[in-house]
Amino acid sequence: QVQLVQSGPEVKKPGASVKVSCKASGYTFSTYGTNWVRQAPGQGLEWMGWISAHNGNTKYPQKLQGRVTVTTDTSTSTAYMELRSLTSDDTAVYYCVREDPRVGPNLGDYWGQGTLVTVSS
Amino acid sequence: QTVVTQEPSFSVSPGGTVTLTCGLSSGSVFTSYYPSWFQQTPGQAPRTLIYSTNTRSSGVPDRFSGSILGNKAALTITGAQADDESDYYCALYMGGGISWVFGGGTKLTVL
Repeated sequence: QVQLVQSGPEVKKPGASVKVSCKASGYTFSTYGTNWVRQAPGQGLEWMGWISAHNGNTKYPQKLQGRVTVTTDTSTSTAYMELRSLTSDDTAVYYCVREDPRVGPNLGDYWGQGTLVTVSS
Repeated sequence: QTVVTQEPSFSVSPGGTVTLTCGLSSGSVFTSYYPSWFQQTPGQAPRTLIYSTNTRSSGVPDRFSGSILGNKAALTITGAQADDESDYYCALYMGGGISWVFGGGTKLTVL
């Protein structure tokens, strides 16, 4: 069965970077894209970025351009999201989501369990 | 700035039908926005219900349906059950560099 297993919780100081991993299983990783979505405490969902499984193309929201990078390692079926220059506003649960490129633009069908990133001095 | 609008809260009686909507602060929602709907209960990851306006994700019961109603995307739940009590988010595909924008979510109460 399809599973996305994310790395554990992180505590970071302001100005630091964090890299969250998302290990996929149960499907051919290289044929699906990955979106990243975050949710601040008590808040709604926010799209953070996307990477194509096909060619590694990426897209990011303008708000996070220059601070976020999403990558994949097809040899380990793992996607990564790195966020730099952290502030308290980046405290959130971060989710990876499997995008199905066969059905037109879609955020995805399977979600990781989420990774809590806390930014605090 | 593009703002996706949802009702902050809604209530439905058990067994009843409810329609949640997803609009734009300026303009109409069309199928070309590929509206998607997600369900989230407290402490859990979101679950994808609907994508591309009206396609149910795998395992989603057919009492959840998506459509375009007037100038908005809509999620209709028929035969509401107690465990449908959740937060519901829509997302619209803006294309280009913006890609996906979420609505603020609707808190659905079943009572």
